[in-house]
Order: sequence, then structure tokens, then C-alpha cells
Amino acid sequence: GAGVSQSPSNKVTEKGKDVELRCDPISGHTALYWYRQSLGQGLEFLIYFQGNSAPDKSGLPSDRFSAERTGGSVSTLTIQRTQQEDSAVYLCASSLHGGWEETQYFGPGTRLLVL
Amino acid sequence: SQQGEEDPQALSIQEGENATMNCSYKTSINNLQWYRQNSGRGLVHLILIRSNEREKHSGRLRVTLDTSKKSSSLLITASRAADTASYFCATDRGTSYGKLTFGQGTILTVHP
Repeated sequence: GAGVSQSPSNKVTEKGKDVELRCDPISGHTALYWYRQSLGQGLEFLIYFQGNSAPDKSGLPSDRFSAERTGGSVSTLTIQRTQQEDSAVYLCASSLHGGWEETQYFGPGTRLLVL
Repeated sequence: SQQGEEDPQALSIQEGENATMNCSYKTSINNLQWYRQNSGRGLVHLILIRSNEREKHSGRLRVTLDTSKKSSSLLITASRAADTASYFCATDRGTSYGKLTFGQGTILTVHP
């Protein structure tokens, strides 16, 4: 089937505005990850969802960041009151069950620019 | 703290040559993976090596893992211009699920 899709591909916003980024994982994959890639910090883990378990939010950089996954499928990452340092590529990945041996399939990412 | 660190940061070679990239990490792991990224967008999984494995092959890729030195290397043989990309190692830091910690990556340029 189709791979992981993300929308929008690019987002330009003004400082202080809220943004929502969407991820559609591969159908049947129960595990979903969000990562962020920025020039200064490289690729960082943000949050992990697996089935109905409580998400691992340990990578979220501040309380302005939140994410949800509805119905065990689509996920939305929300950034409130965006700051310039939030500018980055936000990558979503999914895997079948979330096990450490599994391949993670990445989406093309959303490039966020905060002016 | 940076778990995986690759070197070199950038590598430029001619088509047909071999490319070797190295990765070091700090904590215990279940496995180490290598990913490739084109044009700063989505990553593509290349190969996974378990902590109890020392070497693994996949096509033109050869990965080694030395857990005593906490290091890994990725060798691409007979490189092609299409191999031009950024390559990242990623570890799980021993977690029970696939929460990955990535290195800074090596930018590989293969000249035709």
C-alpha cells in the first residue's frame, strides 16, 4: 500500500501562531513516531504512539508541543505560539508493532519556517 | 547528549570508489541501524545490525559493529552517483521499542 504521508509539505507561519502538522501512517501500522530535524540539533525524537498505550512524550521540547493520534491511525502534531527556533523539518515514521527490531518507514516530512 | 556521531561529516569520492562512514555511540544498544536521506526529506532504512552481530551485508552495503568500542561502520562498494545522500546511524539505546537516537550524519557526494 501507500507509504507514510505528511501534510502540508511546507508551512510558513508567523511567530506566535499555532500550527498543526498531520501524519498518515502506513495502514495497519500500530506504532507512530514523530522526529524533528533542525540544523542545530540534528534528528531528534519527539513522541511515540503504540496502539492504545500512553504515548512516550519524553522528547517534546516544551509544553507548546502536543500530539494526538485519533483512532490509532492519523496523528496530528500541534505547536502553539510558534517560535523561530521551532523552524525545522518534522518527520513522521510508522512501524508495524513498534518493536526495536522493526524498520521504521518515514514520511517526506513537513518543512516548517517560523518568521 | 549526542548518542551517535558519524565521521567524516562529509565525504567526496568518484564513481566506482568505495565509501566508508563511521559511527560511534555512548550507551548500550539492542541494535544499530543505518538510514539514508536524500535532499533533506524522508529517511530510508538501509540496514539493521543487532548487538550480537559483527557484520552484515545487503547488496553493495556492508555494516560492521564493534560493541566493545561502541562503533559501527558502513561501507558502500562500487559507489554510484545515485548514492549521493546523507547517511545516518541510529541506535535504540537499549529501549524495548524503536525510539531512535540519530547521529549527525555523513554527507556523501559521488561524482560521476
